[in-house]
Formats: sequence, C-alpha cells, structure tokens
Amino acid sequence: EAGVTQFPSHSVIEKGQTVTLRCDPISGHDNLYWYRRVMGKEIKFLLHFVKESKQDESGMPNNRFLAERTGGTYSTLKVQPAELEDSGVYFCASSPLIVGAEAFFGQGTRLTVV
Amino acid sequence: DAKTTQPPSMDCAEGRAANLPCNHSTISGNEYVYWYRQIHSQGPQYIIHGLKNNETNEMASLIITEDRKSSTLILPHATLRDTAVYYCIVGGGNSGYALNFGKGTSLLVTP
Repeated sequence: EAGVTQFPSHSVIEKGQTVTLRCDPISGHDNLYWYRRVMGKEIKFLLHFVKESKQDESGMPNNRFLAERTGGTYSTLKVQPAELEDSGVYFCASSPLIVGAEAFFGQGTRLTVV
Repeated sequence: DAKTTQPPSMDCAEGRAANLPCNHSTISGNEYVYWYRQIHSQGPQYIIHGLKNNETNEMASLIITEDRKSSTLILPHATLRDTAVYYCIVGGGNSGYALNFGKGTSLLVTP
C-alpha cells in the first residue's frame, strides 16, 4: 500500500516567486493535514482537511498561504509570494476518519527561499 | 502549546531497553497518547498510541499509568537505527486531530 506522497521533495525559489506543494494521501483517508518545520523550530500544525472541507486552518501563518483539496483526494499548498522566512520542511499527513486513528506522514518537501 | 513534558535527551546502550517517559497531567478523558519519532529530517514516523490500556506492537510498548497523567514508551531492544527525536503527543478525541509536537526527547543509542 502506497504511503503519503509529497511532491517535490526539494524546491528552491527566489523571494517573491510562487511555489505549489502537492500531497497525495493514503487512499481512503479522509483526513489530510499540513505541518511545517522551519529551521530550529518545532514541527507546527498548519491546517486540517476533512475530505474537501477545511476543518481547522488555525495554524496557517498568513494569507500568502493557500491550501486546497478539490475532490477530497490530493491537496496542494501554494505560497504566493514566497518570503525568506517560509523556508523549511513542509509535511503532509493523512488518517482515516476514525476517532483517535493515527496519522501517517509523508517525507516532506524541503522549501528554500533565496 | 504542547501539553506534554519530556526530558530533552536520553542515552541508551545498543541492545538495551529504552524507556522514554512523558508527563501529560492535563490530559482529557477522551484524549489519546501518541508517540511519533523523527529520524534526521525524515517525516515523523508513527510508533504507537493508546487511550487507557497498555499497548504493544512490533515496534514498541506503551505503558499508561492508571490516572493517565503519564506514560512510558519502551523500545525493548534499542538499535543504532532507533536514534531519533521521540515525540509524546496527546490529542484526538474531542480536541480534534491536529498533533501538537513539542520539543520531544532526543534519544541517542550508543554501540
């Protein structure tokens, strides 16, 4: 069974450019989460989808970040325009819609803004 | 804000059991205790979780105290590949599914 897949694994962009990260969750997992870890900091929650609906986006840092999950399958996280402080590793996770079920993480996308 | 307390670092000799403690004195009745680990910069890896009872799987055992205010993750025979940062997280239940990673415990397994 395929795990959570993230694309690309690495991205280097210039300040002011746009970057779109993609996450393919485990098939059948209605819950999808985005997290990120910036240099020297803890892993932080960004947002949570249940199917195509945003359940909790309290962790999104500002309106330069836009997450979508059209059709309730894969998700994208767009950063526009990117700033230097957006550099870090962005993780996606998914879990089934069962109370207490564990979440499985992808390997992350390392974003570097120069 | 993390609702758990873990020691910042621990050492363990290869082949020995690694016992990682976690305090979660404010845990709610329907919250679970989850353990994840992160090896280098890889994605967090799920280890085990439990609600009230002790749990065991192929990776580890989880011992939860009767009052649920603390727990211990046990890696029965630690290997060098178990060197990682281990995170104890409480959540699920009515608090939603977002995992609140704290600083975790950096476990170093030595030869």
